Amino acid sequence: SQQGEEDPQALSIQEGENATMNCSYKTSINNLQWYRQNSGRGLVHLILIRSNEREKHSGRLRVTLDTSKKSSSLLITASRAADTASYFCATETSGSRLTFGEGTQLTVNP
Amino acid sequence: DGGITQSPKYLFRKEGQNVTLSCEQNLNHDAMYWYRQDPGQGLRLIYYSQIVNDFQKGDIAEGYSVSREKKESFPLTVTSAQKNPTAFYLCASSIWVVSTGELFFGEGSRLTVL
Repeated sequence: SQQGEEDPQALSIQEGENATMNCSYKTSINNLQWYRQNSGRGLVHLILIRSNEREKHSGRLRVTLDTSKKSSSLLITASRAADTASYFCATETSGSRLTFGEGTQLTVNP
Repeated sequence: DGGITQSPKYLFRKEGQNVTLSCEQNLNHDAMYWYRQDPGQGLRLIYYSQIVNDFQKGDIAEGYSVSREKKESFPLTVTSAQKNPTAFYLCASSIWVVSTGELFFGEGSRLTVL
C-alpha cells in the first residue's frame, strides 16, 4: 500500500508563480524526501527532511514537515518552464525502506 | 564522473523470454535497489541489496531475480514468470549507514514485451 500520497495529481501554473505540492503519509517516519523526475528519465534527489525538523530550504525550494498531521509540502518559488517535471515524495520508516508516492505532475507554462 | 549506468535504455522481449537489465555504479555505495515504475504511478521496490552477496525481496519480487557478486554491479533478470513485465525499470544506490538516505538513480531501462 502507498505510504505517501501527493496532492494534487497535476498542477499547471504560469512562469513566475509559486507551486505548492503536498504529501500525506500514514505511519511514523524517520525522514521524508522529495525527488524530481523529468519525463522518461531517472529521479533526482531534491531535499531530505528528518522527522525532528520542521522546515528546510534549498535554493528556490522550501519543504515543511508536520509530523502531527503526517504531512509535508514542497514549495517551488518563482517557477520556471524548466521546473516542468513530476515530483515525488518518499518516506523512510523504521526498517529503513523508502516508499514513494504516485507523484504530482507540474507543468509551468512560459 | 561518478554515477549509475543502466543498460540497455530500451529493450523489447518476446513473451516467454528472460531478459537481464544491467546496473553499474562507481559511487562506492554499499546499497543498491531496483524499482519498477508503471505509467503515471510511483515507484515500487523489487529487490535491494545492502552488501555484496546479500539481497532482500522488496514489495513486488515475484517473477524477478537479482545477484550482487560485486559491489559495483546489481543486475536484474526479468523472468518469464513475471506476468506483466512491460514497465520502466530504475536502478538506484545509496550510502547505507543505518538508513537508506538519499538515493542516486540511473536513467532507467524501458522494457516492452511484444
